Amino acid sequence: GQQLNQSPQSMFIQEGEDVSMNCTSSSIFNTWLWYKQEPGEGPVLLIALYKAGELTSNGRLTAQFGITRKDSFLNISASIPSDVGIYFCAGRDFGNEKLTFGTGTRLTIIP
Amino acid sequence: GAVVSQHPSRVICKSGTSVKIECRSLDFQATTMFWYRQFPKQSLMLMATSNEGSKATYEQGVEKDKFLINHASLTLSTLTVTSAHPEDSSFYICSARSEGDQPQHFGDGTRLSIL
Repeated sequence: GQQLNQSPQSMFIQEGEDVSMNCTSSSIFNTWLWYKQEPGEGPVLLIALYKAGELTSNGRLTAQFGITRKDSFLNISASIPSDVGIYFCAGRDFGNEKLTFGTGTRLTIIP
Repeated sequence: GAVVSQHPSRVICKSGTSVKIECRSLDFQATTMFWYRQFPKQSLMLMATSNEGSKATYEQGVEKDKFLINHASLTLSTLTVTSAHPEDSSFYICSARSEGDQPQHFGDGTRLSIL
């Protein structure tokens, strides 16, 4: 099925660094969601965005719903070891219950 | 809030066995539940969408007779993999959402291994 283009595919950073990842789509979405998945577990919701231009924070995480409705980014400030995992963006159309998932960004923190 | 419980977390069984996976929303009523399949190092692929009391809607290429879905109540959906074969081995994840703009919340997944 359709997938969102998420970049970068993987990141290797040092503890304390800031992280930025984004998601782009050829079509518009009404809702953008960011999830984190750790090995052997299901995705956990980090941030939900419902309005174009919306900027929302959850602790050290900040996400924005792009003004064109075709993109979103997620920033993590001052990364810590427990930030390791795969981050997925997901978009949802108005009136459509299904989510379209991004390809994922694998975050690794170098000691 | 918004806790989704999935059981079992891991299943290892012989080829030809049917396997049932349960998905429960613990603290909210899930009008819609979803079943996904995830291969290693890949994103989630939607298999089917189910609404309480009605037949599931399957994605293209997903065999409905192979993957039986029942959504009998607002807190429980089950996926039964019938006559499972090694190619059915995968990580199966459910999610649930309530009405309106509420996001999907995911269970912890079930690792299915068919020998």
